[in-house]
Amino acid sequence: EAGVTQSPTHLIKTRGQQATLRCSPISGHTSVYWYQQALGLGLQFLLWYDEGEERNRGNFPPRFSGRQFPNYSSELNVNALELEDSALYLCASSLGRMTGDSTDTQYFGPGTRLTVL
Amino acid sequence: AQRVTQPEKLLSVFKGAPVELKCNYSYSGSPELFWYVQYSRQRLQLLLRHISRESIKGFTADLNKGETSFHLKKPFAQEEDSAMYYCALSQGAQKLVFGQGTRLTINP
Repeated sequence: EAGVTQSPTHLIKTRGQQATLRCSPISGHTSVYWYQQALGLGLQFLLWYDEGEERNRGNFPPRFSGRQFPNYSSELNVNALELEDSALYLCASSLGRMTGDSTDTQYFGPGTRLTVL
Repeated sequence: AQRVTQPEKLLSVFKGAPVELKCNYSYSGSPELFWYVQYSRQRLQLLLRHISRESIKGFTADLNKGETSFHLKKPFAQEEDSAMYYCALSQGAQKLVFGQGTRLTINP
């Protein structure tokens, strides 16, 4: 079974530019999550998409946005890049079904390393 | 606010010795707790979750609501256990809150 895939592996941008990161979930998964892993800050939740809708958002400014396509793949867009946006961006996917209050198991991709110069 | 604390950034033990990775959390409701592991050059993967109450690769973790802890334990460490371990909490909104992680090194 193919896992979560992300592209590109590495991305180098300059301040003020826009970055677009892509994620393909595991086949059959409808939920996609984005996390930022910045140096010294650990893994922080960014966004959750399910069935094409944004379901939850972390404490990030509006210049972090995304979308989920009909095939459940997702894009993360970061506008007006700042130096502190340099980080590893992880995408995860899950079945998108919640059993009672249970949290879906999230399966992670390898990440996209974004460097802002 | 939800918070997960892993007090040890680095932990080094000898092969065959017991291992305990500490995790404390702050959350007022009924949280779900997870341990994720990242081996060298591999992606982050789920190790175990408290609701399943199972042992994976010899690791166990018990949720202690009184102490708000979810420590990860293994009685006899193996070299292949060397990895980065993350404790995470979810409030059921599919958002995981991660600790800072503990890098475990098993010495031969």
